[in-house]
Amino acid sequence: SQKIEQNSEALNIQEGKTATLTCNYTNYSPAYLQWYRQDPGRGPVFLLLIRENEKEKRKERLKVTFDTTLKQSLFHITASQPADSATYLCALGRYGGATNKLIFGTGTLLAVQP
Amino acid sequence: EPEVTQTPSHQVTQMGQEVILRCVPISNHLYFYWYRQILGQKVEFLVSFYNNEISEKSEIFDDQFSVERPDGSNFTLKIRSTKLEDSAMYFCASSGDLAGQETQYFGPGTRLLVL
Repeated sequence: SQKIEQNSEALNIQEGKTATLTCNYTNYSPAYLQWYRQDPGRGPVFLLLIRENEKEKRKERLKVTFDTTLKQSLFHITASQPADSATYLCALGRYGGATNKLIFGTGTLLAVQP
Repeated sequence: EPEVTQTPSHQVTQMGQEVILRCVPISNHLYFYWYRQILGQKVEFLVSFYNNEISEKSEIFDDQFSVERPDGSNFTLKIRSTKLEDSAMYFCASSGDLAGQETQYFGPGTRLLVL
């Protein structure tokens, strides 16, 4: 069955540094990959979408890469701030007619220290 | 900015009781979903709904579960006879038309506790 791993359950970095989060997957061929932010007790909040034919996407301080050969996505937050502290989830999806279910990783808890 | 809303935010029920979780998706969206997240675990897909019918469901979504879109705005998840292991956060999500069906917008969730 498909497996999605997000490296390290927790990541601690200093304010101003770049946070890099990893999402690796096996036994699956996603058409797209999304990154979400989740705060405690809240629903996931969409951040970025990248499709299989795209190598890189950027949005303000966020950057995501997608390597279908390595079966890996990297998510970067530059100039990190304490307000960026949250759990970050990667989610994979495929086009399949009338369904677009997402398969989520377990998440990486990011803590940005002031 | 449009958002998905869910009610109630918290629900406590006795084992064996029926619960209905309610969601109002983003108004022009066409695809609707329910996911759940057991405390400390990952978000898991339950069911997707399109054109007034279930388009896919997971193994978790057994005969105790049902979904309905009773009118043009609400989307509900019913658990007929709750079990202890149904305790979780339940998230409703919706996504747009064919041009933007990939991105799912999630509601704040309903925390269900089965005693």
